[in-house]
Amino acid sequence: DAGVTQSPTHLIKTRGQHVTLRCSPISGHKSVSWYQQVLGQGPQFIFQYYEKEERGRGNFPDRFSARQFPNYSSELNVNALLLGDSALYLCASSLGAGGYEQYFGPGTRLTVT
Amino acid sequence: KNEVEQSPQNLTAQEGEFITINCSYSVGISALHWLQQHPGGGIVSLFMLSSGKKKHGRLIATINIQEKHSSLHITASHPRDSAVYICAVRPNFGNEKLTFGTGTRLTIIP
Repeated sequence: DAGVTQSPTHLIKTRGQHVTLRCSPISGHKSVSWYQQVLGQGPQFIFQYYEKEERGRGNFPDRFSARQFPNYSSELNVNALLLGDSALYLCASSLGAGGYEQYFGPGTRLTVT
Repeated sequence: KNEVEQSPQNLTAQEGEFITINCSYSVGISALHWLQQHPGGGIVSLFMLSSGKKKHGRLIATINIQEKHSSLHITASHPRDSAVYICAVRPNFGNEKLTFGTGTRLTIIP
């Protein structure tokens, strides 16, 4: 059975541009969470979606948005990119919204120049 | 002060040594995760704990809820164990938000 998949694996953008990152959860998982990991630091929580609704949001500006589709896949969108948005973006899926183990994807490495 | 503190930040050991990585947290939690991250970024979940002790192969994780402390042990360490080990906690309310430590970089020398 396939694990969590993310696309693209690497991405280079320039300041001010927009980016869309994609995540497909493990089959049967209904919850997707997004995390940002800046080099040398632990991941930081961005969003959690469960059954297509936002269940949690971390301390990120409104330039960051996300959504979850009927097939439980998810997109993370970042507008007006800044140099500081350069990071590894991790997606994790779980069966439900609370008390479940999370399974991480390989991440998308975003570089903003 | 970070909600999740790990020690040590870096650890270098000889192959075969017994390894201990510590995690302390300051909030009430419903679960604690130990994760492994290799160069390149991919994260693998090793354990999810809410009490007691779990063992998987050469890896052992323990948690003391009263003391808000967890340890990850590796027995008979091997160079392939070289990675960053991250502790993450899930607070006592119903979503999956994890708060992560900054990780412990483990290097095992042959």
